Amino acid sequence: DIQMTQSPSTLSASVGDRVTITCRASQSVSVWLAWYQQKPGKAPKLLIYRASNLESGVPSRFSGTGSGTEFTLTISSLQPDDFATYYCQQYDRHSLTFGQGTKLEIK
Amino acid sequence: EVQLVESGGGLVQPGGSLRLSCAASEFMFHNYWMTWVRQAPGKGLEWVATIRQDGSEKYYVDSVKGRFTISRDNAKNSLYLQMNSLRGEDTAVYYCARIGAAAGYYFDYWGQGTLVTVSS
Repeated sequence: DIQMTQSPSTLSASVGDRVTITCRASQSVSVWLAWYQQKPGKAPKLLIYRASNLESGVPSRFSGTGSGTEFTLTISSLQPDDFATYYCQQYDRHSLTFGQGTKLEIK
Repeated sequence: EVQLVESGGGLVQPGGSLRLSCAASEFMFHNYWMTWVRQAPGKGLEWVATIRQDGSEKYYVDSVKGRFTISRDNAKNSLYLQMNSLRGEDTAVYYCARIGAAAGYYFDYWGQGTLVTVSS
């Protein structure tokens, strides 16, 4: 199975900051990677699919890059609503895997 | 607006069975692959199973193979997860999710989840 490793596990930042979360795959997943945001007690929300495609309705401050084994999610200017946990997910094979999550906290 | 509503969760003893349901509305259910994803308390997300539009292809995470069965009824716009031989490590919130229309298996809409607790 393909393992997904996110870094950092926890990130402290302030409103207005630019932040980047990294996701590394144990083998190439081409561009088959998605990013999700999850708030406590809520279902995850799709942000990015196919590595860099912004889901409809998602603010443009979110962006995704990468291919192969290394991917990044960037939030260009943090807003109060962005403090949440973020997960990457690969879908290169029928066995799908998520990263362990990155908790974005208010500094 | 796409809606996915899970039901059927609850408390079950180890070794027991449970059937989860997911009622879909406001989209052409029969046109989409569907999936189940779970989240143990305080833990991350884990993909569980996926099913093709017509039910002809099904995929499972290794830890549930032989114990869980994903199915669907397109006439009823419903997705199911039959869970047998339940273990403590199956305790989680179970989400049904729709797989997006673009190529690949990403999840564009999620239900609110249903909690399954396996304990004696």
